[in-house]
Amino acid sequence: GENVEQHPSTLSVQEGDSAVIKCTYSDSASNYFPWYKQELGKGPQLIIDIRSNVGEKKDQRIAVTLNKTAKHFSLHITETQPEDSAVYFCAASKTGRRALTFGSGTRLQVQP
Amino acid sequence: EAGVAQSPRYKIIEKRQSVAFWCNPISGHATLYWYQQILGQGPKLLIQFQNNGVVDDSQLPKDRFSAERLKGVDSTLKIQPAKLEDSAVYLCASSFPTGATDTQYFGPGTRLTVL
Repeated sequence: GENVEQHPSTLSVQEGDSAVIKCTYSDSASNYFPWYKQELGKGPQLIIDIRSNVGEKKDQRIAVTLNKTAKHFSLHITETQPEDSAVYFCAASKTGRRALTFGSGTRLQVQP
Repeated sequence: EAGVAQSPRYKIIEKRQSVAFWCNPISGHATLYWYQQILGQGPKLLIQFQNNGVVDDSQLPKDRFSAERLKGVDSTLKIQPAKLEDSAVYLCASSFPTGATDTQYFGPGTRLTVL
């Protein structure tokens, strides 16, 4: 089955800096890659997603890039703010198996 | 639009007891998922429903876990008997299938502690 690896497990940045989180996947048939933000005591919240027919997608301070050949995708957060502090998960799924396979998560801490 | 609702939010039980969790998906969402999230890990699929039929339960420990989705709306996940390793957050998600892949929306989860 699909395996998703996520790095780093923890990331600390200064407010205003950029943060990058990277994921790799194993199943070349995977074609949908969402990113979720999870705050303490809450369920995961979708922040951005990308499909395999697109190489990059941007939404304000958040962007995701996808390299299908290398089977990796990355989350980029620019101008980080303290409220960006949370655990971020990448995930993957494919046509015919809609359930998500998640990475192990990255705890992002933005220092004011 | 109301989100995915789950109850209870917290539950503490002794091992070998039984427990049930309830999920109400977003209105109109035909697909419903139950995920288990152990502390420090990403969510892992337990079971997926399409309307009231099971699509994928390959990772559900069927000797102790059961789930149903009567009338294709609300769903209940049950554990009987519970083990210490069942301590986790149980997340319910729903989606409206569009195209080849879904956008899944998660509820707040039920945190289960087994003593």
